[in-house]
Amino acid sequence: GENVEQHPSTLSVQEGDSAVIKCTYSDSASNYFPWYKQELGKRPQLIIDIRSNVGEKKDQRIAVTLNKTAKHFSLHITETQPEDSAVYFCAASIDFGNEKLTFGTGTGLTIIP
Amino acid sequence: SQTIHQWPATLVQPVGSPLSLECTVEGTSNPNLYWYRQAAGRGLQLLFYSVGIGQISSEVPQNLSASRPQDRQFILSSKKLLLSDSGFYLCAWTGTHGGEQFFGPGTRLTVL
Repeated sequence: GENVEQHPSTLSVQEGDSAVIKCTYSDSASNYFPWYKQELGKRPQLIIDIRSNVGEKKDQRIAVTLNKTAKHFSLHITETQPEDSAVYFCAASIDFGNEKLTFGTGTGLTIIP
Repeated sequence: SQTIHQWPATLVQPVGSPLSLECTVEGTSNPNLYWYRQAAGRGLQLLFYSVGIGQISSEVPQNLSASRPQDRQFILSSKKLLLSDSGFYLCAWTGTHGGEQFFGPGTRLTVL
Protein backbone atom coordinates (compact mmCIF):
# COMPACT_ATOMS: atom_id res chain seq x y z
CA GLY A 1 0.00 0.00 0.00
CA GLU A 2 0.88 3.68 -0.07
CA ASN A 3 3.46 5.04 2.39
CA VAL A 4 3.85 8.76 3.07
CA GLU A 5 6.84 10.19 4.92
CA GLN A 6 6.82 13.73 6.25
CA HIS A 7 9.68 15.95 7.44
CA PRO A 8 10.47 17.66 9.70
CA SER A 9 8.39 16.48 12.66
CA THR A 10 8.75 19.89 14.32
CA LEU A 11 9.64 23.28 12.89
CA SER A 12 10.12 26.66 14.56
CA VAL A 13 10.15 29.76 12.39
CA GLN A 14 10.50 33.45 13.17
CA GLU A 15 7.36 35.43 12.39
CA GLY A 16 7.57 36.81 8.87
CA ASP A 17 9.94 34.12 7.63
CA SER A 18 8.99 31.21 5.37
CA ALA A 19 8.28 27.62 6.38
CA VAL A 20 8.68 24.54 4.20
CA ILE A 21 7.37 21.05 4.95
CA LYS A 22 8.25 18.10 2.71
CA CYS A 23 6.58 14.78 2.01
CA THR A 24 7.47 11.77 -0.08
CA TYR A 25 5.16 9.03 -1.25
CA SER A 26 5.80 5.52 -2.46
CA ASP A 27 3.09 4.67 -4.98
CA SER A 28 3.54 6.31 -8.37
CA ALA A 29 -0.20 5.80 -9.03
CA SER A 30 -1.12 8.39 -6.36
CA ASN A 31 -2.78 11.36 -8.00
CA TYR A 32 -4.23 13.54 -5.23
CA PHE A 33 -2.17 15.34 -2.55
CA PRO A 34 -3.96 17.44 0.08
CA TRP A 35 -2.51 19.35 3.02
CA TYR A 36 -4.42 19.68 6.28
CA LYS A 37 -3.92 22.03 9.21
CA GLN A 38 -4.94 20.90 12.68
CA GLU A 39 -5.03 23.34 15.58
CA LEU A 40 -4.79 21.97 19.11
CA GLY A 41 -7.86 19.93 20.02
CA LYS A 42 -9.60 20.72 16.73
CA ARG A 43 -10.42 18.79 13.58
CA PRO A 44 -8.05 18.79 10.58
CA GLN A 45 -9.03 21.25 7.88
CA LEU A 46 -7.93 21.31 4.26
CA ILE A 47 -5.73 24.28 3.40
CA ILE A 48 -4.62 23.39 -0.11
CA ASP A 49 -4.49 20.41 -2.43
CA ILE A 50 -2.93 19.49 -5.74
CA ARG A 51 -3.57 16.85 -8.37
CA SER A 52 -0.89 15.14 -10.38
CA ASN A 53 -1.67 17.01 -13.58
CA VAL A 54 -0.12 20.23 -12.21
CA GLY A 55 3.26 20.98 -10.68
CA GLU A 56 2.41 23.92 -8.45
CA LYS A 57 -0.59 25.59 -6.87
CA LYS A 58 -0.77 28.79 -4.89
CA ASP A 59 -3.33 30.36 -2.58
CA GLN A 60 -2.23 33.68 -1.09
CA ARG A 61 0.62 32.85 1.35
CA ILE A 62 0.39 29.11 0.84
CA ALA A 63 1.77 27.09 -2.05
CA VAL A 64 2.26 23.43 -2.82
CA THR A 65 4.73 21.97 -5.31
CA LEU A 66 4.70 18.44 -6.72
CA ASN A 67 7.53 16.49 -8.32
CA LYS A 68 6.00 13.32 -9.75
CA THR A 69 9.31 11.95 -10.96
CA ALA A 70 10.87 12.15 -7.51
CA LYS A 71 7.55 11.36 -5.81
CA HIS A 72 7.67 14.24 -3.41
CA PHE A 73 5.57 17.30 -2.68
CA SER A 74 6.08 20.28 -0.42
CA LEU A 75 4.09 22.92 1.42
CA HIS A 76 5.43 26.46 1.44
CA ILE A 77 4.09 29.12 3.81
CA THR A 78 5.43 32.63 3.28
CA GLU A 79 5.26 35.67 5.61
CA THR A 80 4.36 33.41 8.52
CA GLN A 81 2.04 34.69 11.24
CA PRO A 82 1.37 33.43 14.80
CA GLU A 83 -1.96 31.94 13.68
CA ASP A 84 -0.03 29.63 11.34
CA SER A 85 1.12 27.69 14.43
CA ALA A 86 -0.48 24.22 14.20
CA VAL A 87 0.19 20.65 13.14
CA TYR A 88 0.27 20.17 9.37
CA PHE A 89 -0.42 16.85 7.67
CA CYS A 90 0.28 15.87 4.11
CA ALA A 91 -1.61 13.03 2.48
CA ALA A 92 -1.74 11.04 -0.74
CA SER A 93 -4.36 8.89 -2.39
CA ILE A 94 -4.52 6.51 -5.33
CA ASP A 95 -8.23 6.16 -5.91
CA PHE A 96 -10.17 8.97 -7.50
CA GLY A 97 -13.77 8.68 -6.36
CA ASN A 98 -12.88 6.89 -3.16
CA GLU A 99 -10.34 9.20 -1.62
CA LYS A 100 -8.72 6.77 0.78
CA LEU A 101 -6.03 9.06 2.08
CA THR A 102 -2.71 7.93 3.52
CA PHE A 103 -1.46 10.61 5.89
CA GLY A 104 2.04 11.65 6.84
CA THR A 105 2.96 11.73 10.52
CA GLY A 106 2.53 15.48 10.84
CA THR A 107 4.73 18.55 11.39
CA GLY A 108 4.27 20.72 14.44
CA LEU A 109 4.89 24.29 13.25
CA THR A 110 5.59 27.01 15.81
CA ILE A 111 5.80 30.65 14.75
CA ILE A 112 7.98 32.67 17.09
CA PRO A 113 6.73 36.27 17.51
CA SER B 1 -24.63 23.31 3.03
CA GLN B 2 -23.15 20.09 4.32
CA THR B 3 -22.41 19.46 7.98
CA ILE B 4 -21.01 16.51 9.87
CA HIS B 5 -21.81 15.67 13.47
CA GLN B 6 -20.16 13.37 15.96
CA TRP B 7 -21.19 12.38 19.46
CA PRO B 8 -20.37 12.22 22.15
CA ALA B 9 -17.67 14.90 22.19
CA THR B 10 -15.83 13.27 25.07
CA LEU B 11 -16.10 9.87 26.69
CA VAL B 12 -14.40 8.14 29.61
CA GLN B 13 -14.89 4.40 29.73
CA PRO B 14 -13.45 1.53 31.82
CA VAL B 15 -11.44 -1.24 30.22
CA GLY B 16 -13.69 -4.04 29.00
CA SER B 17 -16.76 -1.86 28.52
CA PRO B 18 -18.56 -1.52 25.16
CA LEU B 19 -18.32 1.48 22.86
CA SER B 20 -20.59 3.16 20.36
CA LEU B 21 -19.63 6.37 18.56
CA GLU B 22 -21.95 7.93 16.06
CA CYS B 23 -21.36 10.11 13.03
CA THR B 24 -24.01 11.69 10.82
CA VAL B 25 -23.73 13.84 7.72
CA GLU B 26 -26.32 16.35 6.55
CA GLY B 27 -26.83 18.05 3.24
CA THR B 28 -25.42 15.40 0.92
CA SER B 29 -26.37 12.01 -0.47
CA ASN B 30 -24.34 8.83 -0.81
CA PRO B 31 -21.17 10.19 0.79
CA ASN B 32 -18.03 8.13 1.28
CA LEU B 33 -17.53 7.89 5.04
CA TYR B 34 -14.36 7.31 7.08
CA TRP B 35 -13.33 6.62 10.68
CA TYR B 36 -9.86 7.70 11.82
CA ARG B 37 -8.07 7.42 15.14
CA GLN B 38 -5.46 9.87 16.31
CA ALA B 39 -3.33 8.97 19.33
CA ALA B 40 -1.96 11.86 21.39
CA GLY B 41 0.65 13.78 19.38
CA ARG B 42 0.44 11.31 16.53
CA GLY B 43 -0.85 11.11 12.98
CA LEU B 44 -4.17 10.00 11.56
CA GLN B 45 -4.79 6.28 11.26
CA LEU B 46 -7.60 5.18 8.92
CA LEU B 47 -9.71 2.53 10.65
CA PHE B 48 -12.71 1.98 8.36
CA TYR B 49 -14.27 3.43 5.25
CA SER B 50 -17.61 2.95 3.55
CA VAL B 51 -18.83 3.74 0.04
CA GLY B 52 -22.46 2.80 0.72
CA ILE B 53 -25.02 1.36 3.13
CA GLY B 54 -23.78 -1.90 4.61
CA GLN B 55 -20.43 -1.65 2.78
CA ILE B 56 -17.52 -1.47 5.22
CA SER B 57 -13.82 -1.85 4.52
CA SER B 58 -11.43 -2.40 7.42
CA GLU B 59 -7.92 -1.01 7.20
CA VAL B 60 -6.29 -2.41 10.33
CA PRO B 61 -7.03 -5.45 12.50
CA GLN B 62 -8.34 -4.41 15.90
CA ASN B 63 -11.17 -4.97 18.35
CA LEU B 64 -13.26 -2.26 16.71
CA SER B 65 -16.03 -2.61 14.14
CA ALA B 66 -18.03 -0.20 12.03
CA SER B 67 -21.52 -0.18 10.58
CA ARG B 68 -23.45 2.00 8.19
CA PRO B 69 -27.15 1.38 8.81
CA GLN B 70 -28.28 4.46 6.86
CA ASP B 71 -26.83 6.46 3.98
CA ARG B 72 -25.57 9.28 6.17
CA GLN B 73 -24.89 7.45 9.42
CA PHE B 74 -21.65 5.76 10.39
CA ILE B 75 -21.15 3.99 13.70
CA LEU B 76 -17.94 2.83 15.37
CA SER B 77 -18.29 0.08 17.98
CA SER B 78 -16.39 -2.18 20.30
CA LYS B 79 -17.57 -5.02 22.51
CA LYS B 80 -14.68 -4.67 24.97
CA LEU B 81 -12.44 -1.62 25.12
CA LEU B 82 -8.69 -1.85 25.64
CA LEU B 83 -6.41 0.80 27.14
CA SER B 84 -4.84 1.20 23.70
CA ASP B 85 -8.20 2.29 22.28
CA SER B 86 -7.81 5.70 23.90
CA GLY B 87 -7.50 8.51 21.39
CA PHE B 88 -9.23 11.13 19.30
CA TYR B 89 -11.72 9.55 16.90
CA LEU B 90 -12.55 11.48 13.78
CA CYS B 91 -15.27 10.81 11.25
CA ALA B 92 -14.90 12.25 7.75
CA TRP B 93 -16.79 12.31 4.47
CA THR B 94 -16.22 12.99 0.81
CA GLY B 95 -18.63 13.25 -2.08
CA THR B 96 -19.21 10.28 -4.35
CA HIS B 97 -16.61 11.56 -6.80
CA GLY B 98 -13.98 12.28 -4.18
CA GLY B 99 -12.29 15.62 -3.64
CA GLU B 100 -11.92 17.38 -0.32
CA GLN B 101 -12.36 15.23 2.76
CA PHE B 102 -14.31 16.98 5.53
CA PHE B 103 -13.73 16.00 9.14
CA GLY B 104 -16.19 15.99 12.01
CA PRO B 105 -15.43 17.64 15.37
CA GLY B 106 -14.16 14.37 16.84
CA THR B 107 -14.73 12.29 19.98
CA ARG B 108 -12.02 12.20 22.62
CA LEU B 109 -12.07 8.72 24.20
CA THR B 110 -10.20 7.88 27.39
CA VAL B 111 -10.12 4.25 28.48
CA LEU B 112 -9.15 3.76 32.13
